[in-house]
Amino acid sequence: AQKVTQAQTEISVVEKEDVTLDCVYETRDTTYYLFWYKQPPSGELVFLIRRNSFDEQNEISGRYSWNFQKSTSSFNFTITASQVVDSAVYFCALGGVLFKTIFGAGTRLFVKA
Amino acid sequence: ETGVTQTPRHLVMGMTNKKSLKCEQHLGHNAMYWYKQSAKKPLELMFVYSLEERVENNSVPSRFSPECPNSSHLFLHLHTLQPEDSALYLCASSQDQRGGSNEQFFGPGTRLTVL
Repeated sequence: AQKVTQAQTEISVVEKEDVTLDCVYETRDTTYYLFWYKQPPSGELVFLIRRNSFDEQNEISGRYSWNFQKSTSSFNFTITASQVVDSAVYFCALGGVLFKTIFGAGTRLFVKA
Repeated sequence: ETGVTQTPRHLVMGMTNKKSLKCEQHLGHNAMYWYKQSAKKPLELMFVYSLEERVENNSVPSRFSPECPNSSHLFLHLHTLQPEDSALYLCASSQDQRGGSNEQFFGPGTRLTVL
C-alpha cells in the first residue's frame, strides 16, 4: 500500500530562518512520482514541484530546495530565509502510474515577522 | 478566466436542501477530481473523471452525485447532506488518463456549511 507521512503537524519560525519540512513515503512500485503543494490561507493548493522515482537529483528554485533520497524514502522541502508570505499548509504527495495521488496530512508553517 | 474556477465560493445549506457545486478548468486537461478537505484531516479523494468517464469513486455516500458533461466542466450535486459533510470541497484537473503521474491544478474550493 502507498502512504505519505508528514510527521510535523505545525512549525513556527521567525522570518529569515531556514526551515525544512519532512516527507516520508511508502510504496512498493518502482515507478512513482513525488509532489509538493502549497495551500495558502486562500485555500487553493498550488503545485510546487514534481519528481519521478528515477531522478534523485536535488532541485533548487529560488529560496526553495528539495532533497529526494530513495534510500530513506524521503522527499524533504527546505525554505531558505523564510518570509511571512511562506506561511501556509504544505502537502507532500505520492502518485503512480497505476494509483492515484495520495496526499500527506500536511504541515502548517507559521512564519512570524 | 484562467486555471481552475469553482462556484460558489461559500455555501450554507440545510440538510433537506439540494445544491450543486460547479468546477471549470481552462487548461485543456482531460482528468478532473473532487476532493473533500475537513479540518485536521488529509485530503480525501472523492471522484475522478478521465475523458468524461468516472474512473474512481472512493466509497462516497450517494448523497454526493458527480457529473462531468465535458472535459472542462465538473459538478457535484448535493442532497440531504449531514452536518459532518461541512468541509472545503476542492476541484482539480490534470493532464492524466490514469494513475497519479502528473501534477494537479486546484481551484480555490467551495466552503460548505451544512446546518
